[in-house]
Amino acid sequence: EDQVTQSPEALRLQEGESSSLNCSYTVSGLRGLFWYRQDPGKGPEFLFTLYSAGEEKEKERLKATLTKKESFLHITAPKPEDSATYLCAVGASGTYKYIFGTGTRLKVLA
Amino acid sequence: ETGVTQSPTHLIKTRGQQVTLRCSSQSGHNTVSWYQQALGQGPQFIFQYYREEENGRGNFPPRFSGLQFPNYSSELNVNALELDDSALYLCASSLELGVGEQFFGPGTRLTVL
Repeated sequence: EDQVTQSPEALRLQEGESSSLNCSYTVSGLRGLFWYRQDPGKGPEFLFTLYSAGEEKEKERLKATLTKKESFLHITAPKPEDSATYLCAVGASGTYKYIFGTGTRLKVLA
Repeated sequence: ETGVTQSPTHLIKTRGQQVTLRCSSQSGHNTVSWYQQALGQGPQFIFQYYREEENGRGNFPPRFSGLQFPNYSSELNVNALELDDSALYLCASSLELGVGEQFFGPGTRLTVL
């Protein structure tokens, strides 16, 4: 069964303290892995798409990487405005639905 | 470029009632998906529409139904509302079926009393 697991569930960082969020996936064939940011009560905001192992994408303080079994979202020198829930989703071959993890709630303290 | 919009923002219904939620796709996008997101959970796939046809469905009962119109806007209808239907309902559009990322609307918060 296709599955996405994110860890940790919650993370508290001091401003400037770098860390990584993990997304492990089991899927019959990966059509794409997607990272989103979600603020409370709002819709997810698209961040990155990764298609193949070894691929990396960067945007400001965020960097996403992909292996055959997991993806990491690295946050370098985070700021309080980076506080949000970060969601990972995969698209599986043979189906057009996207499977989401439960997210990592990130809190960055000033 | 106009993003994905949804209406209404919030809705309160009682058990047994019916509800219709609406979504306008991002300009140029022909594929729309609907998701249910319970508090503290990730979005759960309800169904997807491509060129006015339902293209796939998640583990939701038939009382969840939808439509897509020629302009690619979409509706989600839920009949016989249950308390567990209380959630944030998200609409997402994508440029083409099975290709690339989805872009989400702000969601409709449904509360069933």
